[in-house]
Amino acid sequence: KQEVTQIPAALSVPEGENLVLNCSFTDSAIYNLQWFRQDPGKGLTSLLLIQSSQREQTSGRLNASLDKSSGRSTLYIAASQPGDSATYLCAGSGAGSYQLTFGKGTKLSVIP
Amino acid sequence: SQTIHQWPATLVQPVGSPLSLECTVEGTSNPNLYWYRQAAGRGLQLLFYSVGIGQISSEVPQNLSASRPQDRQFILSSKKLLLSDSGFYLCAWSVQRNSPLHFGNGTRLTVT
Repeated sequence: KQEVTQIPAALSVPEGENLVLNCSFTDSAIYNLQWFRQDPGKGLTSLLLIQSSQREQTSGRLNASLDKSSGRSTLYIAASQPGDSATYLCAGSGAGSYQLTFGKGTKLSVIP
Repeated sequence: SQTIHQWPATLVQPVGSPLSLECTVEGTSNPNLYWYRQAAGRGLQLLFYSVGIGQISSEVPQNLSASRPQDRQFILSSKKLLLSDSGFYLCAWSVQRNSPLHFGNGTRLTVT
């Protein structure tokens, strides 16, 4: 069974700093990995999806990487802004499964 | 463009009362539909998913049920709510299994 861990649970950085959020998973036979953003009291917004055959995906200031051999994914945020403050969650799915296993998220605070 | 609607946004129900949460998707056909629950301090848990009308798969045995009476409509129900059913319920859809998952804004359910 896939298990997903995100450390740290919370992170605070000054505005303008580049930062990396970490996600680790136990089953290297991962089908795809997705990163989401969740604002307080809201649903999740899809940020990036990396297929198992890919190494990274980019969207604007966001870059996500996937290393199946080490069981790790990272989300890189360049030039952070206060509007980036939110909880970021990663989720992985196994081959043949419709179930995404979510981490508990990293709560990011970008200080002006 | 595709949109997902979920209602109500908040709900307070007494123990033993019935529940009906509704979710509809616009702008796409034959989507995969999902119900997730997010409890405080825990990750998102997949409750049900559906790949077509009348097709429901349950991931977690409990007193909840789901139905898909129309292609883009997904309903979460209970005949008698328990205190432990309190949580944040999220509906989501995807084009296919390896596509990004898109969430509604959620329903905050409090069972008293």
